[in-house]
Amino acid sequence: KAGVTQTPRYLIKTRGQQVTLSCSPISGHRSVSWYQQTPGQGLQFLFEYFSETQRNKGNFPGRFSGRQFSNSRSEMNVSTLELGDSALYLCASSLGRFSDTQYFGPGTRLTVL
Amino acid sequence: GDSVTQMEGPVTLSEEAFLTINCTYTATGYPSLFWYVQYPGEGLQLLLKATKADDKGSNKGFEATYRKETTSFHLEKGSVQVSDSAVYFCASDAGTASKLTFGTGTRLQVTL
Repeated sequence: KAGVTQTPRYLIKTRGQQVTLSCSPISGHRSVSWYQQTPGQGLQFLFEYFSETQRNKGNFPGRFSGRQFSNSRSEMNVSTLELGDSALYLCASSLGRFSDTQYFGPGTRLTVL
Repeated sequence: GDSVTQMEGPVTLSEEAFLTINCTYTATGYPSLFWYVQYPGEGLQLLLKATKADDKGSNKGFEATYRKETTSFHLEKGSVQVSDSAVYFCASDAGTASKLTFGTGTRLQVTL
């Protein structure tokens, strides 16, 4: 079974631009969560989607948004990019919402210049 | 809120040495606990998990026991290899598996 895939793997943007990252979960998994990883803040939860609805949100500004499609694929969008948004963005999927293990993708490395 | 505290790294060991990475948690509920490993340039790989008190998770020679009385989930391995060099993250889910709280990560460097 294929793992979690994320595209693109690397991205370079400039301040003020917006970006969309994509995540395809493991087949059959319905929950998708996103995390931001930076050297300073570590791994931080962004949001979780299940059945096309955002179920949980971390402490990030409204510039960070996401959505989930009927096939469970998910996208996250960051608008008006700031230098501090440079990070590794990780997507994780699980079968359901509770007591299920999350499996992570390889991440998208975003660099904001 | 929930939190996870890991010992600071980096940890440098010789091959075949014994490894312990300490992890403690605070949670209002009854979380499941996890250890993930991250190799350079990659995402997180699940190493092991435990879902209730006194459970022992194990995988690839690594072990961790869920200790409710000490709110700990320390990672151990009897004999490390150079290929174990990576960053190790302890995490808890506080009963909501889709939102993990991570420790800061511990970098392990194993030398010959």
